[in-house]
Amino acid sequence: QVQLQESGPGLVKPSGTLSLTCAVSGGSISNDNWWSWVRQPPGKGLEWIGEIYHSGSTNYNPSLKSRVTISMDKSKNQLSLVLSSVTAADTAVYLCAREGDHGYSLGYWGQGTLVTVSS
Amino acid sequence: EIVLTQSPGTLSLSPGDRATLSCRTSQSFSDSRHLAWYQQIPGQAPRLLMYAVSNRATGIPDRFSGSGSGTDFTLTISRLEPEDFAVYYCQQYDRSPPRYIFGQGTSLEIK
Repeated sequence: QVQLQESGPGLVKPSGTLSLTCAVSGGSISNDNWWSWVRQPPGKGLEWIGEIYHSGSTNYNPSLKSRVTISMDKSKNQLSLVLSSVTAADTAVYLCAREGDHGYSLGYWGQGTLVTVSS
Repeated sequence: EIVLTQSPGTLSLSPGDRATLSCRTSQSFSDSRHLAWYQQIPGQAPRLLMYAVSNRATGIPDRFSGSGSGTDFTLTISRLEPEDFAVYYCQQYDRSPPRYIFGQGTSLEIK
């Protein structure tokens, strides 16, 4: 069973850069899957940030594309998310997820990590 | 821009009741494989319930069912159990550009 665990700083200053990692166990990120990042502001709904394929191909939410980079480190079996020029609006729980076994959905999720943007 | 609108925003029912949740997309899409539903209990990650409109994900009980086509989709819970009270999201995968789009959620509350 694939398991995902997000980690990173819980507090980032405005105009700074948010950097998170997602450690994957129980499966290889080199397999034929897409891996996503999703965020959820406190008390609000889900917003997809972007995804990466095992080949390194990426797709991003157009609303965040100019500030987001998703990458993977196959040697560590982990994903990374970098979000630049953050503001208070970027305060959210950030979750990593893997596409489901039948595609076009997110079947495996980490528990998420809360990132607060504040000075 | 594709928008998914879920209704109602909040649904208050009792255990044993039947729940019907709606998801309407602003654009019709022909590939039904792209519509999914999730359940999220507060403080937990979302859990995939249904994929490709009407297929239950692994371990999902058969009281959950999905239906619909075109722009109108429905998640039905035939007989509510206490653990079903949660927030439910519909999701579409759009190919142009490739991205996931979520509805705003329906909160299913105990009456």
